[in-house]
Amino acid sequence: DAGVIQSPRHEVTEMGQEVTLRCKPISGHNSLFWYRQTMMRGLELLIYFNNNVPIDDSGMPEDRFSAKMPNASFSTLKIQPSEPRDSAVYFCASSLANNGLFFGEGSRLTVL
Amino acid sequence: GQQVMQIPQYQHVQEGEDFTTYCNSSTTLSNIQWYKQRPGGHPVFLIQLVKSGEVKKQKRLTFQFGEAKKNSSLHITATQTTDVGTYFCAALQGAQKLVFGQGTRLTINP
Repeated sequence: DAGVIQSPRHEVTEMGQEVTLRCKPISGHNSLFWYRQTMMRGLELLIYFNNNVPIDDSGMPEDRFSAKMPNASFSTLKIQPSEPRDSAVYFCASSLANNGLFFGEGSRLTVL
Repeated sequence: GQQVMQIPQYQHVQEGEDFTTYCNSSTTLSNIQWYKQRPGGHPVFLIQLVKSGEVKKQKRLTFQFGEAKKNSSLHITATQTTDVGTYFCAALQGAQKLVFGQGTRLTINP
């Protein structure tokens, strides 16, 4: 069975550029989560969706960050404009009925 | 909001020694989940505990949920090099918002 699929796996960009991270959740899962992981702050929840609807985006750092889930099989996290402090590993995870999160392999973002 | 504190932050053991990480909350938890993240990898769901005083085992791993549902522990018996990684507990804040502890990083001397 395919797990959560994220792309790109690695992204290096310059400050000010737009970054789009993509996620395909596990088929049949009804919740999708975006987390950011850094050494300093650990795993932070940015936003989560339930049945494609954003439920809680209180973890989104600022207006430069936006996330969408146009359908049950696709979500994007966009950063515009990017800044060096956005450098982190961004994980997408999906779940069904709170029975554990299944994480993708992550997108490692470096903003120069 | 709900926060979970994990201790210790780091633990280094000799292969074959036991290892325990603890997760504590100031408020009652509805459930607790445990994850393992290998170096360079992604968090992998291990288990969920729901009931007060619950104990679950997975081979050499023993998970406990406190009677008051405010703390939990993960114990590994006779560690092996494959156990290396960071172990996270996570608790629900509200209906679905899962908040992670800081993690305990386990390193093992073979």
